[in-house]
Amino acid sequence: EAGVVQSPRYKIIEKKQPVAFWCNPISGHNTLYWYRQNLGQGPELLIRYENEEAVDDSQLPKDRFSAERLKGVDSTLKIQPAELGDSAVYLCASSPTPGGPEQFFGPGTRLTVL
Amino acid sequence: GQSLEQPSEVTAVEGAIVQINCTYQTSGFYGLSWYQQHDGGAPTFLSYNALDGLEETGRFSSFLSRSDSYGYLLLQELQMKDSASYFCAVRSGYSGAGSYQLTFGKGTKLSVIP
Repeated sequence: EAGVVQSPRYKIIEKKQPVAFWCNPISGHNTLYWYRQNLGQGPELLIRYENEEAVDDSQLPKDRFSAERLKGVDSTLKIQPAELGDSAVYLCASSPTPGGPEQFFGPGTRLTVL
Repeated sequence: GQSLEQPSEVTAVEGAIVQINCTYQTSGFYGLSWYQQHDGGAPTFLSYNALDGLEETGRFSSFLSRSDSYGYLLLQELQMKDSASYFCAVRSGYSGAGSYQLTFGKGTKLSVIP
């Protein structure tokens, strides 16, 4: 069984530039999560999808962040414009049950904003 | 709000036993998960406790005391490959809403030395 796929693995951009991250969850997993992980910290939830519906986006900075999950499969997270403080690892995870205790994480995208 | 406390770093000798504690404060508590993350890697699920007591999975065990809002991860027969960060994560929510979320601690960096 293929795991959660994310791309790119690394991204370096200048501040004020846009950036997008892509995630393909495990086949059959209807729940998809985007997390942000700062250095030395645990993952922090940005948004959770059930199929194509965003059911929890309370922690998503909506002035600059947006996400979509068209057709309820893969998902894209976008930042526009990026700020220095956005430098972090962006993790995508999926689970077979909504809010289940076991989530399957992708390798993440390490974003550096210069 | 929710808060989790776990030690930031632990060092142990190869072959020994180490315990990583986690205390939490949350509403709508459902259970406690543990994840392992190697440097540059994805968090991977280790265990989940919904009820009081000890759960054993090979060399790893996890314990929960709901009345004390406390849990721990026990690693036995430590190996060098166990050097990683370990995160406790509270699963919380309300069954009536059918929605649960995981909130991660800041992680404990375990170093296994020869």
